[in-house]
Amino acid sequence: AQSVAQPEDQVNVAEGNPLTVKCTYSVSGNPYLFWYVQYPNRGLQFLLKYITGDNLVKGSYGFEAEFNKSQTSFHLKKPSALVSDSALYFCAVRDLMNRDDKIIFGKGTRLHILP
Amino acid sequence: EPEVTQTPSHQVTQMGQEVILRCVPISNHLYFYWYRQILGQKVEFLVSFYNNEISEKSEIFDDQFSVERPDGSNFTLKIRSTKLEDSAMYFCASTLPETDNSPLHFGNGTRLTVT
Repeated sequence: AQSVAQPEDQVNVAEGNPLTVKCTYSVSGNPYLFWYVQYPNRGLQFLLKYITGDNLVKGSYGFEAEFNKSQTSFHLKKPSALVSDSALYFCAVRDLMNRDDKIIFGKGTRLHILP
Repeated sequence: EPEVTQTPSHQVTQMGQEVILRCVPISNHLYFYWYRQILGQKVEFLVSFYNNEISEKSEIFDDQFSVERPDGSNFTLKIRSTKLEDSAMYFCASTLPETDNSPLHFGNGTRLTVT
């Protein structure tokens, strides 16, 4: 069965500094990987995904993520953080080999950008 | 841009009562999901639905839960006899079927409070 780990409950970054939110995954076959963001009292919004191809994928709001197969990681990054980036971020995985319909989410990392 | 809509936004019910949570997925989507989130923490998969039947369900989705697509537009989650531990945010999601890498589109959720 697939699983996702987000080792940090919270990440604090000063505005203007680069940010990284960590994610590692476990699947039987090739993974489909996703990042979602959740603002207060809202549903999850899709940020970006990795399927195949370039290991560095770019998404919404200036975010990008780097797929690292050897480390089974898919860390979310942004070169310069904004206060408005403060939110709850979820990494998610779908296992292609098992052709599961479901996408499994990590426990979430709360990103706090300090002005 | 089309959205997944959920009603009501907040539902309060007494333990043992039945509740129905309603969702209108994006109109051309064919895969539908229910997830739940307790206290702003981990997003847990409940069930996926395709072609008028459940395609996958988690161990959380026991006999007290059921889903239905009664009229081709609504997608409902019913909890027959609610328990205190059913209190959570319930999110509906939908996706396109053409590719395996389609992201999920989430509604804003229904906050269920069982007293």
